Amino acid sequence: GAVVSQHPSWVICKSGTSVKIECRSLDFQATTMFWYRQFPKQSLMLMATSNEGSKATYEQGVEKDKFLINHASLTLSTLTVTSAHPEDSSFYICSASNDETGLGEQYFGPGTRLTVT
Amino acid sequence: GENVEQHPSTLSVQEGDSAVIKCTYSDSASNYFPWYKQELGKGPQLIIDIRSNVGEKKDQRIAVTLNKTAKHFSLHITETQPEDSAVYFCAATGNQFYFGTGTSLTVIP
Repeated sequence: GAVVSQHPSWVICKSGTSVKIECRSLDFQATTMFWYRQFPKQSLMLMATSNEGSKATYEQGVEKDKFLINHASLTLSTLTVTSAHPEDSSFYICSASNDETGLGEQYFGPGTRLTVT
Repeated sequence: GENVEQHPSTLSVQEGDSAVIKCTYSDSASNYFPWYKQELGKGPQLIIDIRSNVGEKKDQRIAVTLNKTAKHFSLHITETQPEDSAVYFCAATGNQFYFGTGTSLTVIP
């Protein structure tokens, strides 16, 4: 149980275009979903927290107009990187929790590697 | 806010030996301490967790100990195998989820 999927697993896009990444909880209802960014050999950096039907809460320094998050249902959250630039290239990982406080178990997706050329 | 420190950053052990990774935290309100294993190019996988009302938890070759007074918790892997090689992250949650900086474990056959 507690399986989280991400799609796509790898995407290459041109500078200036937008990319959408999907995160799905396959066998449980995720009241809270999280989006992380990870640089090589570094820890996970929390970008935002989203609750179903509510606006996402972004961490300090994360541009909400650039990283659009939609948590439309209890099993799906999307991250859209708008007007992507090479510096947005990174490994993006989502996680999901059925703990409404967001402080319980988090189950992670396999990650999406974004390369912006 | 919370500050989670993790040591060591890299660890190499011979197959069959034990590996220990330690984390310290600063927020006494933190009450949930998970450990994640991340293989190259993959997302983190929850391997074991412990809550503040428990001092130790074991799952086969993996165990976690928690010392709330000293604000530290440790991951213990016994009888290590090459497939245990990965990056391990600790985390602590009080009012937010905070990750440690990671430990790259290499098990030498």
